Amino acid sequence: NAGVTQTPKFRVLKTGQSMTLLCAQDMNHEYMYWYRQDPGMGLRLIHYSVGEGTTAKGEVPDGYNVSRLKKQNFLLGLESAAPSQTSVYFCASRNRAEAFFGQGTRLTVV
Amino acid sequence: DAKTTQPPSMDCAEGRAANLPCNHSTISGNEYVYWYRQIHSQGPQYIIHGLKNNETNEMASLIITEDRKSSTLILPHATLRDTAVYYCIVHGSGNTGKLIFGQGTTLQVKP
Repeated sequence: NAGVTQTPKFRVLKTGQSMTLLCAQDMNHEYMYWYRQDPGMGLRLIHYSVGEGTTAKGEVPDGYNVSRLKKQNFLLGLESAAPSQTSVYFCASRNRAEAFFGQGTRLTVV
Repeated sequence: DAKTTQPPSMDCAEGRAANLPCNHSTISGNEYVYWYRQIHSQGPQYIIHGLKNNETNEMASLIITEDRKSSTLILPHATLRDTAVYYCIVHGSGNTGKLIFGQGTTLQVKP
């Protein structure tokens, strides 16, 4: 049982480049989330989804886009990366109870 | 979803009980209290949750006050591996879907 899998685990981008982070869950969960965590800080919600085909903004959505075309996948896109987006990104999924988290993607924008 | 308030940091001696408080004075009737922890830079891990009754599992106990405005997570015999950031979150089972984390409490277990 893989749970929540994030791809890639590490990435270095140049300013202005684009990329997509993939989150996949095999638990048939309805809700999925993308967070960012900066050093010494808590998790901040970027975007979330309450079901296939739906997305909503979280606390810090600017500079990011998301898509949930399939129930098991939640994609986070950076269209034009900026150094301020250097962070660790966590994906999570849940149904009506506890959330399960991936191991994170460490992104550096230079 | 109700907001939570936690102390930024706490220390605990190894082998002793760690009691982590959380205030959630605006909690509504259908909202649960959830606790997660994050060890080093790993993804957060679920610990326990409850509605109004006290709960216990193999990891911890959760004590919720009668008015439900605060709760305490208890790690009965803390070990060095329990050093982590502990997050208290309040949300309903059928809410809008948002899951907001606060700053949490950094628990340092000392030998």
